[in-house]
Amino acid sequence: GAVVSQHPSRVICKSGTSVKIECRSLDFQATTMFWYRQFPKQSLMLMATSNEGSKATYEQGVEKDKFLINHASLTLSTLTVTSAHPEDSSFYICSVSQGTEAFFGQGTRLTVV
Amino acid sequence: KQEVTQIPAALSVPEGENLVLNCSFTDSAIYNLQWFRQDPGKGLTSLLLIQSSQREQTSGRLNASLDKSSGRSTLYIAASQPGDSATYLCAVRPSNSGYALNFGKGTSLLVTP
Repeated sequence: GAVVSQHPSRVICKSGTSVKIECRSLDFQATTMFWYRQFPKQSLMLMATSNEGSKATYEQGVEKDKFLINHASLTLSTLTVTSAHPEDSSFYICSVSQGTEAFFGQGTRLTVV
Repeated sequence: KQEVTQIPAALSVPEGENLVLNCSFTDSAIYNLQWFRQDPGKGLTSLLLIQSSQREQTSGRLNASLDKSSGRSTLYIAASQPGDSATYLCAVRPSNSGYALNFGKGTSLLVTP
């Protein structure tokens, strides 16, 4: 299946700063990538759909100005958490679909202090 | 909105036991259902994918069944091993959602030696 690489795996940042998370599809050209978020003891929730060459589609309740998504190429999507706050601390993970099957990156544990 | 429920939330079994994990979903209009494994702080590994037209899929010691009309799926693990300890996630792809998935909260499995 598709190989998805996500970086960094862990990041700690100060409140008010911005953090960029990269998601790469290593062996598959992905016109669409998905960003999910997982809070402790909760299920993964879709945040946004990243579309190559066009604007991302955000789920209800997700602030597009806070979570900036850029999908500049068929192999790279980035999620930037701007002006991070402690409540943004979570596990962020990206996904691509190859055929009908979904494949995920390793995830990024973000801690905002 | 599609709701996915997994029961039990946690399970502890001795090595060698066969076990069943349950997943239910509220809307039977799905394209497929996928079972994942998640190790602590890690990404998701795809285990089995069942298309809506299929009844079951098998991979090694794993067998997943799907009863779309009743909104249920089970993951059967035969002869469990300590290395099977992880969180198992069930996710459905609704027919009208593109490629995004709806996840359950997972079942945390511990297999003791």
